[in-house]
Amino acid sequence: KAGVTQTPRYLIKTRGQQVTLSCSPISGHRSVSWYQQTPGQGLQFLFEYFSETQRNKGNFPGRFSGRQFSNSRSEMNVSTLELGDSALYLCASSWASGAGEQYFGPGTRLTVT
Amino acid sequence: GIQVEQSPPDLILQEGANSTLRCNFSDSVNNLQWFHQNPWGQLINLFYIPSGTKQNGRLSATTVATERYSLLYISSSQTTDSGVYFCAVDTNAGGTSYGKLTFGQGTILTVHP
Repeated sequence: KAGVTQTPRYLIKTRGQQVTLSCSPISGHRSVSWYQQTPGQGLQFLFEYFSETQRNKGNFPGRFSGRQFSNSRSEMNVSTLELGDSALYLCASSWASGAGEQYFGPGTRLTVT
Repeated sequence: GIQVEQSPPDLILQEGANSTLRCNFSDSVNNLQWFHQNPWGQLINLFYIPSGTKQNGRLSATTVATERYSLLYISSSQTTDSGVYFCAVDTNAGGTSYGKLTFGQGTILTVHP
């Protein structure tokens, strides 16, 4: 069974631009969670989607948004990029919302210049 | 929200040595996972262990939920064990923690040959 996949793996953007990251969960998993990892703040929860609905959201500004499609694939979008958005963005999937083990993808490393 | 503390923050070992990593959490949990982050950033699942004891090769883990801590044991360490080890928990407190793992700050393990 294929693992969680994320695209792109690396991305360089300029301040003020917007970016869209994609995550495909393990087949059969319907919950997708997103996390941001930075050296200063560690791993922080962004939001979680289940059955195309956002079930939970972390403490991030409205510039961070996401969505989930009917096939459980998820995208996250960051608008008006700031230097501080440079981070490793990880997504994880599990079979149900708030239940079971989460499995992580390889991440997207975003650099904002 | 729930607090997760890992100790020690750094650990340096000689190959062949044993080690114990600790994770303390401040509230009851319904999910506890241990991860190893590889040099490319991917989180590798080690254990899903909200309670009890599990073993996988040279690694084992124990969670004492009533006392709010978990331990990860690494025996006969190898240089390939080097990296960052994270503990993460999900409380599902009041049904508001859907898909949200709260991570500790990690333990950086270095194993010298």
